Amino acid sequence: EEQLVESGGGLVQPGGSLRLSCVASGFTLRNYWMHWVRQIPGKGLVWVGRLKSDGTDTAYADFVKGRFTISRDNAKNTVYLQINSLRNEDTAVYYCVRDGGEGTPFEIWGQGTLVTVSS
Amino acid sequence: DFQMTQSPSSLSASVGDRITITCRASQNISASLNWYQQKPEKAPNLLIYLASILQSGVPSRFSGSGSGTDFTLTISSLQPEDFATYYCQHSWSFGQGTKLEIK
Repeated sequence: EEQLVESGGGLVQPGGSLRLSCVASGFTLRNYWMHWVRQIPGKGLVWVGRLKSDGTDTAYADFVKGRFTISRDNAKNTVYLQINSLRNEDTAVYYCVRDGGEGTPFEIWGQGTLVTVSS
Repeated sequence: DFQMTQSPSSLSASVGDRITITCRASQNISASLNWYQQKPEKAPNLLIYLASILQSGVPSRFSGSGSGTDFTLTISSLQPEDFATYYCQHSWSFGQGTKLEIK
């Protein structure tokens, strides 16, 4: 079964950093585009950023403003989201998502990991 | 900026009803539109892609149509498990969601 499992969320103070991990099973991550999508509790889905299958081409939503970085470890079949300079408004559930490339749908979602930014 | 506008934001209906949710793109996106279902405390699940193609395993009571800027998701006969929130999506943009509740 193809599956994504996120981890790394938790409570962090404003200005802090966190690295979220997303481990893939049942498929090889490097063959796909991987995205991060977040959802403030009770609100809608917001795209955060993506990493193309080449492992280097990234793109981010405007609100990221250089604070987020997506990377990948092929040996661990894992994609990461590094979040720096955390703000209260970054509190959300973060999902990693797989698609098949440009123009394809978000076909596999992880279960999500909750990041809470609070002092 | 590109936007997806979804309506209604909420909808009350009964089991057996036929309902339609609309999604409008701010520019022509051909048929590049996907629909997702999300149940409380769960990740979204792909229902329909390329406007009208049912994802494997999705019941046939779900259907999608449209092209260009206007799209619809229809559920022909609501079942209890269909009460959830639905999102349309194009590329990196999601609609605001439609919460479908039991009347």
